[in-house]
Amino acid sequence: DAGITQSPRHKVTETGTPVTLRCHQTENHRYMYWYRQDPGHGLRLIHYSYGVKDTDKGEVSDGYSVSRSKTEDFLLTLESATSSQTSVYFCAISGGTGGFDGYTFGSGTRLTVV
Amino acid sequence: DQQVKQNSPSLSVQEGRISILNCDYTNSMFDYFLWYKKYPAEGPTFLISISSIKDKNEDGRFTVFLNKSAKHLSLHIVPSQPGDSAVYFCAASLFGNEKLTFGTGTRLTIIP
Repeated sequence: DAGITQSPRHKVTETGTPVTLRCHQTENHRYMYWYRQDPGHGLRLIHYSYGVKDTDKGEVSDGYSVSRSKTEDFLLTLESATSSQTSVYFCAISGGTGGFDGYTFGSGTRLTVV
Repeated sequence: DQQVKQNSPSLSVQEGRISILNCDYTNSMFDYFLWYKKYPAEGPTFLISISSIKDKNEDGRFTVFLNKSAKHLSLHIVPSQPGDSAVYFCAASLFGNEKLTFGTGTRLTIIP
């Protein structure tokens, strides 16, 4: 969906290095989310945001931080990457007009920590 | 604690037959349920949803059934087509809350 983009699409990084993933939306939606997808675990919520500078933790937030300085952008930072953070990361948005009708997802970022 | 469960990691169905994907949940406060479809290297896309005030919702070949007493929902695809081969996630949310809890997914393979 052109209204939400993630960058980079692929990244390989070394253990112990910081990594930042970016999610950008053009839909002016209030809520933004970061999920990770792993085999056998499905999609698990890392952090979410309910407005500029308003964020909260999800179920697997350890080792991750987020920031949202403007409506369009939601950044996910791995302060010191570990091999257990190798995963596919998805950003999602919701909160458009007309009530809740689910999320729109980005195309994902495949992160490999070596 | 997995509040939304999809107990079948994979399912294979002959083309033209019915595909039935199942999902169970433990939190009786969930009141809105959705199914998402995911192709490789793409993000999940919304397929169909159902509110807890209904027990059935149809959209073309896709029908979702909700059994609140059993805390169970199912997705029926009739007839199944090769393009339906994907991973399907069910998800649930609480009233007034846009945060979704997802199941672990079921990989559906349609056999030509």
